[in-house]
Amino acid sequence: DGGITQSPKYLFRKEGQNVTLSCEQNLNHDAMYWYRQDPGQGLRLIYYSQIVNDFQKGDIAEGYSVSREKKESFPLTVTSAQKNPTAFYLCASRGRGKETQYFGPGTRLLVL
Amino acid sequence: AQSVTQPDIHITVSEGASLELRCNYSYGATPYLFWYVQSPGQGLQLLLKYFSGDTLVQGIKGFEAEFKRSQSSFNLRKPSVHWSDAAEYFCAVRNTGKLIFGQGTTLQVKP
Repeated sequence: DGGITQSPKYLFRKEGQNVTLSCEQNLNHDAMYWYRQDPGQGLRLIYYSQIVNDFQKGDIAEGYSVSREKKESFPLTVTSAQKNPTAFYLCASRGRGKETQYFGPGTRLLVL
Repeated sequence: AQSVTQPDIHITVSEGASLELRCNYSYGATPYLFWYVQSPGQGLQLLLKYFSGDTLVQGIKGFEAEFKRSQSSFNLRKPSVHWSDAAEYFCAVRNTGKLIFGQGTTLQVKP
């Protein structure tokens, strides 16, 4: 069954802690994306990667970091520098030469 | 700069009534346009897309959208809404491999 998986579904972060959100896809897609969703603000792009070992900052990259060591995986780390991390985080992927992005089920991050 | 505007933050319709969700975009070239739907706590599901050709595009779940270049619009329509259509709807435009999203429209369906 092809698709995008995100884990965990819920994640709790303590003050000063770094946390990592997982995104895996088995669609053989080259491009992967991370979005942050806040109520009433739509989706905002955090980071994206068009190919393995390469990634670019999106509109709100401060306080976040990513890696792209494998085609299938694009983990997002929310660092302690992100002062307002509470949000719904969505991962997406896109096939080479294609225009449509497909989304995972999301991870909700909450601060304790 | 490219942008997408969904003028209606919240819309309520009665079950069985028709629906139109508005989307206006700002983009210099021929746009690639998308409508996605999101149920509470879920990811986004693609409803339909427009790249070129026929300006009236059909999607899943009985939705359609019409691209009007002169009005810079890509409005989503459904002739008869079902209670299961209650969700948040996002319009998006492609910009160099990325998507720019509108702020979303929340649809409530009255019995």
